[in-house]
Amino acid sequence: EIVMTQSPATLSVSPGERATLSCRASQSVSSNLAWYQQKPGQAPRLLIYGASTRATGIPARFSGSGSGTEFTLTISSLQSEDFAIYYCQQYNNWPPLTFGGGTKVEIK
Amino acid sequence: QVQLQESGPGLVKPSETLSLTCNISGASISSHYWSWIRQPPGEGLEWIGYIYNSGNTNYNPSLKSRVTISLDTSKNQFSLKLISVTAADTAVYYCARRAGSTPIFDYWGQGTLVTVSS
Repeated sequence: EIVMTQSPATLSVSPGERATLSCRASQSVSSNLAWYQQKPGQAPRLLIYGASTRATGIPARFSGSGSGTEFTLTISSLQSEDFAIYYCQQYNNWPPLTFGGGTKVEIK
Repeated sequence: QVQLQESGPGLVKPSETLSLTCNISGASISSHYWSWIRQPPGEGLEWIGYIYNSGNTNYNPSLKSRVTISLDTSKNQFSLKLISVTAADTAVYYCARRAGSTPIFDYWGQGTLVTVSS
């Protein structure tokens, strides 16, 4: 099973600032990596797949990069609606599909 | 507009069977692949399994011995059964649609909390 590790667990950022979230895989997942956003009481929402392709309707301030074992989600200028928990998911080697433990982006 | 809605008991006794249904609107169950994912309170996401429009399934090895996912094409819904539950199975259970040929999830239900307790 591929283990996904996200860091930091919590990221405190001021509105308008840049946020950089990391996701590391225990072995290479190529570019088969997705990112989701989850707000309290809601289901996750797909943001990024293929490590860097934005899903339909996702604003350009969200960008993904990386391949192999190291990945980054960047939010270029945080808006109030972006404060949430973010999860990465690998789909290169499955079953099982596996998710990271999440990074909570909170208001500084 | 694709919508998924989970339904089922919110409380299940230990050692009994958890049963949930996901009703799909705005999409044909026969045209996509479908999944169950769960999230224990305050924790991360765990993939439970897939069912393909052929009826074939693919389960998380950690749950495989206890899980069954099935289709009901006549009702445009699919179901989850998890046997011999314990408190560790307490979670919000989500149904979700696979995004085409890629095993990621583009539509999710709102989730339903299932508590395992006597």
